[in-house]
Amino acid sequence: DGGITQSPKYLFRKEGQNVTLSCEQNLNHDAMYWYRQDPGQGLRLIYYSQIVNDFQKGDIAEGYSVSREKKESFPLTVTSAQKNPTAFYLCASSMQDYGYTFGSGTRLTVV
Amino acid sequence: GDSVTQMEGPVTLSEEAFLTINCTYTATGYPSLFWYVQYPGEGLQLLLKATKADDKGSNKGFEATYRKETTSFHLEKGSVQVSDSAVYFCALSVGNYGQNFVFGPGTRLSVLP
Repeated sequence: DGGITQSPKYLFRKEGQNVTLSCEQNLNHDAMYWYRQDPGQGLRLIYYSQIVNDFQKGDIAEGYSVSREKKESFPLTVTSAQKNPTAFYLCASSMQDYGYTFGSGTRLTVV
Repeated sequence: GDSVTQMEGPVTLSEEAFLTINCTYTATGYPSLFWYVQYPGEGLQLLLKATKADDKGSNKGFEATYRKETTSFHLEKGSVQVSDSAVYFCALSVGNYGQNFVFGPGTRLSVLP
């Protein structure tokens, strides 16, 4: 079955560490996205990519970085510059305006 | 800019009650409209969608009708179950890609047995 796989499901980060969240899709979707969700809150767009080797900042890109070397993959790095990284991170993909397909999320906690 | 407004939650209902979650939107173009559901600890799942005026999206007993004249896409279900407890997000999309995909803040629904 086609879908989006996010890994790991839970991730713990020490202060000052960079961590990378994985997002892989086999839906042949062109566009991919990263959202952050804080407890009881809605979704905030971090980065998105419409095509391989191209990506754009969303509303809260500071302290994050991404790459899009392959159509199937859109990893998100949470850098030490992100001062409050504890959140639930959601990856999504889409093809035109058929709506988003979401992954199951990664919960990142700073320890 | 484009925006989506949803009724404030949480919404608490008894099992078999009728559900309405209001959603209104503002868009510069002609949007497609969506409802997503998020169960605890999971990602969002597409519940239903409508792409043009007067279209009715339906799935799992949930329905929503695209009302262009009132710029609304209210979610309804005739008889809710405990398993419907989740957060519901209304969203719109204008254009080909998600840079114009806007989510509402979400409405938490709790259904009591």
